[in-house]
Amino acid sequence: ETGVTQTPRHLVMGMTNKKSLKCEQHLGHNAMYWYKQSAKKPLELMFVYNFKEQTENNSVPSRFSPECPNSSHLFLHLHTLQPEDSALYLCASRSTSGRDTGELFFGEGSRLTVL
Amino acid sequence: SQKIEQNSEALNIQEGKTATLTCNYTNYSPAYLQWYRQDPGRGPVFLLLIRENEKEKRKERLKVTFDTTLKQSLFHITASQPADSATYLCALVGGSYIPTFGRGTSLIVHP
Repeated sequence: ETGVTQTPRHLVMGMTNKKSLKCEQHLGHNAMYWYKQSAKKPLELMFVYNFKEQTENNSVPSRFSPECPNSSHLFLHLHTLQPEDSALYLCASRSTSGRDTGELFFGEGSRLTVL
Repeated sequence: SQKIEQNSEALNIQEGKTATLTCNYTNYSPAYLQWYRQDPGRGPVFLLLIRENEKEKRKERLKVTFDTTLKQSLFHITASQPADSATYLCALVGGSYIPTFGRGTSLIVHP
């Protein structure tokens, strides 16, 4: 496999459920991101990890809990979500070595619906 | 606060014409400006970037201009094709290398 892979592609959950989104990158990158994309809104940065360390938390509610066990894997654990959390969740990776231009490589996204 | 504006209305053009999309920004001094393409239900795909000290960049049928005085970038697709129909996102990158995105402009190319 190549690129950035996100699973599941679609997820429907109730407000009391616990679920997780998974992201895996095969590009050898060392930075990974979670973005949220809601209808008619720009991509919203949620979290950034660099060499497994969280470097950005964009005031995200604690019902979203990220985990980065290594530079290739990123998870977003979901618990007690609200209907307004329904959105497309995008994972991205970036190489910070060499000539870094901030270019992001995105996965296909996980479409989350909270009932 | 930082603001990135892209035309919220869809741009409809005829096949073969040049599409021009606009990205304006305020309260920002980006090192780079990037353009991405996003198809419905898919993740964005990087197209090209332009640095703050560059005026123009080209890649095949794509051309980007960057005016740091006007705080504006123009994105052109020449000889447009129906396959170019998508949403195009502008993103600004500063010293942290974390892109900040506009909401995108939808382009529809009619055959």
